[in-house]
Amino acid sequence: SQKIEQNSEALNIQEGKTATLTCNYTNYSPAYLQWYRQDPGRGPVFLLLIRENEKEKRKERLKVTFDTTLKQSLFHITASQPADSATYLCALDWNAGNMLTFGGGTRLMVKP
Amino acid sequence: GAGVSQSPSNKVTEKGKDVELRCDPISGHTALYWYRQSLGQGLEFLIYFQGNSAPDKSGLPSDRFSAERTGGSVSTLTIQRTQQEDSAVYLCASTPPSSYNEQFFGPGTRLTVL
Repeated sequence: SQKIEQNSEALNIQEGKTATLTCNYTNYSPAYLQWYRQDPGRGPVFLLLIRENEKEKRKERLKVTFDTTLKQSLFHITASQPADSATYLCALDWNAGNMLTFGGGTRLMVKP
Repeated sequence: GAGVSQSPSNKVTEKGKDVELRCDPISGHTALYWYRQSLGQGLEFLIYFQGNSAPDKSGLPSDRFSAERTGGSVSTLTIQRTQQEDSAVYLCASTPPSSYNEQFFGPGTRLTVL
């Protein structure tokens, strides 16, 4: 069965640095890969979507890469701010059919 | 506009009791999903409704769990004979018909089974 792996340990970085979070998956590549942000006590909020045939997608300070050879997506936040502190979830759609499978998430802590 | 709403926000129940959790999706969204999130864990898919099609129930953990969606809008997730391991946050999400699968989540219902 398909598996998604995100680093379960919290990532602590200094304000202003670039945060990089990793999402690895097994078996075949998904049609779409998405990243969500989740704050404590709230539902996830969509950030970015990248398709199988795309290498990179950007939105303001966010960048997502998708490497189907490594079976990995990287999520970058440049010029990080304390307000970026949250849990970040990757979600994969293997069949382009509206069904997402979520990773366990990585907690990011940005210290001032 | 209004987002996805869920009620109640918190529910405390005793083991063995039945509970109903409600989800109001964004108006016009055709797809509706239920997930379960245990403390510090990712989202576990439970059930998926798409328009008038039969729901995908493949994620329901046992026959104590059921869900319905009336009139293609509001959905209710029912857990019968609750167990302590059912304690979790239950999240609902909806998707518009033209979306590239972006899901809009509600705030969740925190269920505690004593």
